[in-house]
Amino acid sequence: DAKTTQPPSMDCAEGRAANLPCNHSTISGNEYVYWYRQIHSQGPQYIIHGLKNNETNEMASLIITEDRKSSTLILPHATLRDTAVYYCIVRVRTNAGKSTFGDGTTLTVKP
Amino acid sequence: DGGITQSPKYLFRKEGQNVTLSCEQNLNHDAMYWYRQDPGQGLRLIYYSQIVNDFQKGDIAEGYSVSREKKESFPLTVTSAQKNPTAFYLCASSIRQRGYNEQFFGPGTRLTVL
Repeated sequence: DAKTTQPPSMDCAEGRAANLPCNHSTISGNEYVYWYRQIHSQGPQYIIHGLKNNETNEMASLIITEDRKSSTLILPHATLRDTAVYYCIVRVRTNAGKSTFGDGTTLTVKP
Repeated sequence: DGGITQSPKYLFRKEGQNVTLSCEQNLNHDAMYWYRQDPGQGLRLIYYSQIVNDFQKGDIAEGYSVSREKKESFPLTVTSAQKNPTAFYLCASSIRQRGYNEQFFGPGTRLTVL
């Protein structure tokens, strides 16, 4: 599986866009990029995933570079409740067994 | 409401005792997973099951055992052979048709071994 690299921590002002980067330079052609977040002491929550096109849902947008070696999760208007650890993982879509999460990025949204 | 339940939320056991953590889902999901999380770290996969009566070891299966006798249930037993069992344990499930990696997680069980 492709390894991902995320900054350990980031700050964002409330109401501003939060842009969380993820590097995955060894990603394979059939691997998807998935994002999850974990609010303190809770189970992680799935946010979004993509293969090569940009994706948007009610929670966030995912921008994947053309060479697919990096991606950015965008929370368009961050709120205090978006403070969490954000995990970027790269996986083949149909492989159930490769699901270990790295250390992620701790996003702190400040008033 | 559909979801994943884990019980209990907090669990205390004496060293040397086996303990079983419960995980139930009513989402009709095919696959279920157990993860371990230590303070300040990410999630590590213990076991997973894609279908009933079948399960596979993850990255850190030693000292743990599971069963999958029903689609909706995937209990995890932490045995006395697990050297450092104190941790936050998370159960998850996913549906094959949407790809296994869109996982839904339960609230977790925090196990403390005294």
